Parts: sequence; C-alpha cells; structure tokens
Amino acid sequence: EIVMTQSPATLSVSPGERATLSCRASQSVSSNLAWYQQKPGQPPRLLIFDASTRATGIPVRFSGSGSGTEFTLTISRLQSEDFALYYCQQYNDWPPLTFGGGTKVEIK
Amino acid sequence: EVQVVESGGDLVHPGGSLRLSCAAAGFTFSSYEMIWIRQAPGKGLEWVSYISGTGTTIFYADSVKGRFTISRDNAKKSVFLQMNSLRAEDTAVYYCTRGTLRYLDYWGQGTLVTVSS
Repeated sequence: EIVMTQSPATLSVSPGERATLSCRASQSVSSNLAWYQQKPGQPPRLLIFDASTRATGIPVRFSGSGSGTEFTLTISRLQSEDFALYYCQQYNDWPPLTFGGGTKVEIK
Repeated sequence: EVQVVESGGDLVHPGGSLRLSCAAAGFTFSSYEMIWIRQAPGKGLEWVSYISGTGTTIFYADSVKGRFTISRDNAKKSVFLQMNSLRAEDTAVYYCTRGTLRYLDYWGQGTLVTVSS
C-alpha cells in the first residue's frame, strides 16, 4: 500500500499571501495524483488531477506540480474562501486508493 | 448537471446491517466507475469500495472486506453499499463519488452512519 504523507499538518497564512502544501508518496505514483479541498460540513471538491491539471471551474491561483514521490499544491494569493482542509490522493497503484492525512490552511 | 445523492445512513447497533444508496444524474452512468469514500468524525478520508462501470470489477478496502458489498443498477443509475456486521469503527460520513480514472471528480453530500449501542 502506498502511504501518502502531507506537510505541514497546519499552515498559517495571511490573506493575499502564497500557500505551499506538500504531499509525499512512499513510492513513485508517476503523475497519478489528485488534490481536494474540503470546507467544514461539505464534501471534498476536486481541485487538481494528474498532478497539475486544474479541474473544471477551479481558479488559476491553484496550481499543482511534481511527479514521482514529491508533489506540491500552491495557492498563489490566498482568498478568504481558500481557508480549508486539503488532501492529496494517489491513484497510480491500487487498490487501495490512498489519501494523505490532510493540511489545514488557516488564517494567520 | 452532474449529481450524486446518497441516502440510507442511520444509527445502527454493533453487528447490525445497513444499505446505502446513491442516485446519480446528469451523466452517462454506465460509463463511469463509482467509488465509496468514508470519513470518520474529525478524521481524514478513507477509500471503502470501487465498482467499474459495467459492475464486473469490484474492490474493497481490507477493513470492510467480507462485510460490505458494493453493487450497481445501471438502468436505475444507482450504486449501493450493503454493510453487514457493522462495528463502531465504521461510524463515518459515507460519500458516493464518481471516478474518472480513479480520481474522484464528483462527490455527494454524504450520509452519516453511526454504529453505537
């Protein structure tokens, strides 16, 4: 089973600043990685798939990069609605599909 | 508009059973894999089960294997999760998701399953 590790667990950022979230896989997942955003009381929403492709309707301030075992989600200029939980998920080697533990982006 | 709507969550005693349903709309249902994900209270996301568009390929997480059964009815655009021998650790919000090459592009609002005496 591929273990996904996200860091940091909590990221404190001021509105308008850049946020950089990391996701590491225990073995290569190629570019088969997705990022999701979850707000309290809501289901997750797909942001990025194939490591760097934005899903439909996702603003350009969200960008994904990386391949193999190291991945990054960057939010270029944080807006109030971006403060949320973010999860990465690999779909290269499955079952099982596996998720990272999440990074909470909070207001500094 | 793509929609997936779960139902069937409830409070059930340990050892009991529950059947979750997920109704889909707005896309060619039989062309898509469907995947159940769960989230225990205050915890992260856990993959539960997968079913291919035709229903011929099915997978389960080790934590539910032998207790849960996934199925689908393409004529009714629905997917189901039969959950037997429920345990306290199965308590979670269960999300029905549409899979596209195994990333999850549409999620339902979730249905809460509580296993408690």
